[in-house]
Parts: sequence; structure tokens; C-alpha cells
Amino acid sequence: QIQLVQSGPELKKPGESLKISCKASGYTFTDYAMQWVKQAPGKGLQYMGWINTQTGKPTYADDFKERFVFSLETSASTAYLQINNLKNEDTATYFCARARNWAPFDYWGQGVMVTVSS
Amino acid sequence: DIQMTQSPPSLSASLGDKVTITCQASQNINKYIAWYQQKPGKAPGLLIHYTSTLVSGIPSRFSGSGSGRDYSFSISNVESEDIASYYCLQYDNSPRTFGGGTKLELK
Repeated sequence: QIQLVQSGPELKKPGESLKISCKASGYTFTDYAMQWVKQAPGKGLQYMGWINTQTGKPTYADDFKERFVFSLETSASTAYLQINNLKNEDTATYFCARARNWAPFDYWGQGVMVTVSS
Repeated sequence: DIQMTQSPPSLSASLGDKVTITCQASQNINKYIAWYQQKPGKAPGLLIHYTSTLVSGIPSRFSGSGSGRDYSFSISNVESEDIASYYCLQYDNSPRTFGGGTKLELK
């Protein structure tokens, strides 16, 4: 069955970096782009951007053009989200989700809770 | 970027009620809107796509309609398992954008 399995929760200090993984299974990884979504505690869903799994080209939403990096390890059917120079406001749950062009996000990872605190 | 204005932010309903949530896009999104349900601590789940197409296995008490800039999502005969937050997503343009969400509570 189709699954997106994300890495575990993270506790980091301001200024540190982290890398979250999203491992896909049950489908051909390169048939779907990988999307990233942020959800701050008690808040709504915020679209971060996506990465083309065929070319590796990332596209970032305006609020995520600095400090955020999407990458791939295609041989392992895995997408990564790296956040550099962590800030308190990065405290959130981060979801990966797959989607094709002009298609909604149909399968989601379980989310990774990231806490940034000194 | 397309803005999605979702209302109301919260909704209180009794079991068996019909509830409706709306999303207005800042421009025509050509029916490329999806609706998601999210329960606490869980990932969102896709209910409806392309305005009104129900995902397989989703009960028929969920429905969607609309065109152009204006879209709505309804639950008829609210059941206890429907208590959750709901979000719209436009996927006509990049970047995709979500509505602000609607929290459905029991009256």
C-alpha cells in the first residue's frame, strides 16, 4: 500500500539545523512531486513548496525561500526537508505529501513535530 | 499568489445537522479545489477533489460545489466522527494555498 513515512520528533536549539526525511513506498517515487506543509501549534496548514522528483528542482513558497532546503535521495525513494538557523517560530509539525500537477495532495506522511527552544 | 478565504473559522453543530463551509479564491481557480479533514494529532485526509468528486470510501453525506471563485463544502447529518477541522486547498496555481480552516465542534 502507498505510504509516506516521516522521521521522528526533533528538539533543537535556536541557530541549529535539522533534516527531516519522508520515505515513500507502494508507488513509483518519480511519478509524483513531493510537497511540504507546515502546521504551527493550534494553527492552520501552510504550504511550503514542492520538489520535482524527476529533476530534483525545488520550488519554495515566499515565506520559505530562506533557510529551507528540499532535497531527494531518489534511489531510496526519500525526500528531505532541511531547516537551517532554526528559530522559535519554526516550532511546528511538518508534513510531506505527494501530488501530481493539477491534482490534490492525496497521500500524506504522519508529520514530524519540531520543537525549537533554548 | 491566490488567497483562499475560508469561513467560518469555527462552527458548532448538533448531531444530524447540515453544515456548510465556504472558500472564496482571490481569482478563478477553475474548480481545482480540494477539501480535507484533519483530526488532532493526525495528517489531513482528502475528502473531495475537483470541487465535487468524492474520494473512494468517503460517505455521501459529504459534498462540494462551486465554480469560478466561490466554493462550498457541506456535511449533511453530522455524525460524531465528523468532529474535526476542515481545510480547502486550491491546486489550480502555484504556489498552492490552503484556506484558514474551520473547526467543527458539537453543540
